[in-house]
Amino acid sequence: ETGVTQTPRHLVMGMTNKKSLKCEQHLGHNAMYWYKQSAKKPLELMFVYSLEERVENNSVPSRFSPECPNSSHLFLHLHTLQPEDSALYLCASSQERERAEAFFGQGTRLTVV
Amino acid sequence: GENVEQHPSTLSVQEGDSAVIKCTYSDSASNYFPWYKQELGKGPQLIIDIRSNVGEKKDQRIAVTLNKTAKHFSLHITETQPEDSAVYFCAASVTGNQFYFGTGTSLTVIP
Repeated sequence: ETGVTQTPRHLVMGMTNKKSLKCEQHLGHNAMYWYKQSAKKPLELMFVYSLEERVENNSVPSRFSPECPNSSHLFLHLHTLQPEDSALYLCASSQERERAEAFFGQGTRLTVV
Repeated sequence: GENVEQHPSTLSVQEGDSAVIKCTYSDSASNYFPWYKQELGKGPQLIIDIRSNVGEKKDQRIAVTLNKTAKHFSLHITETQPEDSAVYFCAASVTGNQFYFGTGTSLTVIP
């Protein structure tokens, strides 16, 4: 276990549904990240939070909405997704944004139908 | 931005042999190079990393080498075991900034 827990592990949703992914870290880290992992592609950074403030948003469509209520929890709210959004969504944390070592959760396998 | 290329995309080796995975990067400012192992159904886990002030780092059967001039770095696994079978990712970053990942290498160790 890396200390980063993601729920649910698997999610199937229709294009008109609204769902949320949850990430929790028990490492005392101050920075948290959402990544998208698609087949045959490099991991894509979606959002970065440092001390609960969003510091980076890599031009992600507005149908993905992150929320970081505290330094231990990170959410990704999903609505009106497209089939091409199907992927493995990974959460990661690091001690500080300037500390490069990142610890990943197990991911949520999302399928949009 | 940074561009990281990783080769090969798949690699099969006999148990006990060595495996080498290579990555190149484009941004000469990159100074941190981690390697991640991702097993089926799990998230990536950091297995070894190297910073630009070091040319080589070793941890038991795993080693990483860095050539700053040529802008490439490699992962070496010796005496491979079936449990080494996984997807391996390299990454490059300027500390404090975004990680740029390679596309991954699927390693299969044949018993």
